[in-house]
Amino acid sequence: DVVMTQTPVSLPVSLGGQASISCRSSQSLVHSNGNTYLHWYLQKPGQSPQLLIYRVSNRFSGVPDRFSGSGSGTDFTLKISRVEPEDLGDYYCLQSTHFPWTFGGGTKLELK
Amino acid sequence: EVQLQESGPGLVKPSQSLSLTCSVTGYSITSNYWGWIRKFPGNKMEWMGYISYSGSTSYNPSLKSRISITRDTSKNQFFLQLNSVTTEDTATYYCARERGGMTPWGQGVMVTVSS
Repeated sequence: DVVMTQTPVSLPVSLGGQASISCRSSQSLVHSNGNTYLHWYLQKPGQSPQLLIYRVSNRFSGVPDRFSGSGSGTDFTLKISRVEPEDLGDYYCLQSTHFPWTFGGGTKLELK
Repeated sequence: EVQLQESGPGLVKPSQSLSLTCSVTGYSITSNYWGWIRKFPGNKMEWMGYISYSGSTSYNPSLKSRISITRDTSKNQFFLQLNSVTTEDTATYYCARERGGMTPWGQGVMVTVSS
């Protein structure tokens, strides 16, 4: 299985500040079709996970442009600028290039 | 608007089968892929498997032969069955639509395996 190493586990931030979450895979996530199936999710307290970014850098509908995804191969990053209260929660990366699909261990974004 | 809703028992005894239903409204399950994911206490997430628009399935090998995902297109529902459960199957179970990124997800159902 592809191991997704997500760091940090916990990320204290100030409102209005910036946050960066890393996700590294144990093998390249470039599919044979050329696409890279690395996605980011946010699970707010008491809610189900919601898609933020799909295929590395594409913001899902309605996701503010404060969220940006980047990376390639095995190294990916989610950046959140101007953190707002509704951004707090657990963030997960997911790769769906290789079966079985695997998640990162999660990052808890919390107030400093 | 597409919505998913999981339902099923919240308590299952060890060695028995866990059966959950995902009811979909606002979109036909004969399009896209429809999956099950679970979140364990301690926050680890695991993709369990999916059923496709045509009814074909793909499962996480970690679940070996214990898992089955089926569907009823007339009711626009799909189902999870997990056999021979142990306490390690205690988790919150989610269903979700997969279309190049899983979205949306159901609200989740917490299942405890305990005697």
